[in-house]
Amino acid sequence: DTGVSQDPRHKITKRGQNVTFRCDPISEHNRLYWYRQTLGQGPEFLTYFQNEAQLEKSRLLSDRFSAERPKGSFSTLEIQRTEQGDSAMYLCASSSRQTVSREQYFGPGTRLTVT
Amino acid sequence: KQEVTQIPAALSVPEGENLVLNCSFTDSAIYNLQWFRQDPGKGLTSLLLIQSSQREQTSGRLNASLDKSSGRSTLYIAASQPGDSATYLCAVGGYGGSQGNLIFGKGTKLSVKP
Repeated sequence: DTGVSQDPRHKITKRGQNVTFRCDPISEHNRLYWYRQTLGQGPEFLTYFQNEAQLEKSRLLSDRFSAERPKGSFSTLEIQRTEQGDSAMYLCASSSRQTVSREQYFGPGTRLTVT
Repeated sequence: KQEVTQIPAALSVPEGENLVLNCSFTDSAIYNLQWFRQDPGKGLTSLLLIQSSQREQTSGRLNASLDKSSGRSTLYIAASQPGDSATYLCAVGGYGGSQGNLIFGKGTKLSVKP
């Protein structure tokens, strides 16, 4: 397995711009998760996909946020009209439905800075 | 509402010491508990996962225990090394029947001095 990958690793944008992040899960992992982490805090859950279906969404996922996983493989997270409060590390994780444990494996994250 | 607390927030020890990191959670209705390591500016590395029916898991110098009834978990690190310096996070999964949501503590920042 090559692990979870995320792109880009860093993104600097101006307030009001739209940004999109990509996550490629471990191959054969059908579950995919997005989290957000701000400085000094633990990650906070945003949303969860099983295959292409978005099954859970946090209330943190405002109307400006949208996530997709169109073919049940990679996923994208888009933030529209970015605000300075969106500055954070965005983490993606995946897990396999085949394992009872539901262990989640995380990618390296995308660091977003909104100026 | 599930809340996860980690104590202490920071810990500094000399190399070679054995140490214990603590994690507590308010609701015992969990499916599993995971311990992670996070290096500065990096993603999370899974260390150990304990399912709700288990009491402990071991990997090398690491041992994690789970007492679901009291809402506590500990991560024991034996013979600490400077390379163990990182933030350690615990997270509970499956709260409220969720299939996906891990709820994290804020972490313990460990510094192991040579």
